[in-house]
Amino acid sequence: TQLLEQSPQFLSIQEGENLTVYCNSSSVFSSLQWYRQEPGEGPVLLVTVVTGGEVKKLKRLTFQFGDARKDSSLHITAAQPGDTGLYLCAGAGGSQGNLIFGKGTKLSVKP
Amino acid sequence: DAGVTQSPTHLIKTRGQHVTLRCSPISGHKSVSWYQQVLGQGPQFIFQYYEKEERGRGNFPDRFSARQFPNYSSELNVNALLLGDSALYLCASSSSGGADTQYFGPGTRLTVL
Repeated sequence: TQLLEQSPQFLSIQEGENLTVYCNSSSVFSSLQWYRQEPGEGPVLLVTVVTGGEVKKLKRLTFQFGDARKDSSLHITAAQPGDTGLYLCAGAGGSQGNLIFGKGTKLSVKP
Repeated sequence: DAGVTQSPTHLIKTRGQHVTLRCSPISGHKSVSWYQQVLGQGPQFIFQYYEKEERGRGNFPDRFSARQFPNYSSELNVNALLLGDSALYLCASSSSGGADTQYFGPGTRLTVL
């Protein structure tokens, strides 16, 4: 069974701090997607990483895909209250061609 | 262009009842996937449809069924509702399914009493 472990599960920081969220698996994924979800809403796609070692930047967010395509990280620089939400990583490559999600990291950024 | 749309947004049912949830994919997308997200967890895969054919099914009981129509919209049906079926049901569309990037709708919040 393919599993994605996200850490930390909860994160509460002050505005302006930096943070990193990790997504780890023992399985190889053909690609990995990061989503941000607000309460009661659907996940919103932030980025898709495909190539091992790939780094993508989205303003203050930096995403990295591990060389072996088993892990990924999301780094946020100078966090702002608007970054508050549930961050989900999802690996493509389930036996049914589906996405496999981690449990998410709930981020709270206090002003 | 409109994103993925789902209806209804909220639904309250009682145990034993039946429910139908609806989803319209992004224009031009031919694949729809359904996920269940219970509070505090990541979404769990239920079904994927591509070109009206079931492409994949997650580990859910036969009370869950789905179909995709010629216009690529989809319905998820759940029979004999249980309290544990209370969740946010998410629909995602992609252009060709499989490992393709998926875009999610706002979800339907189902509460079973």
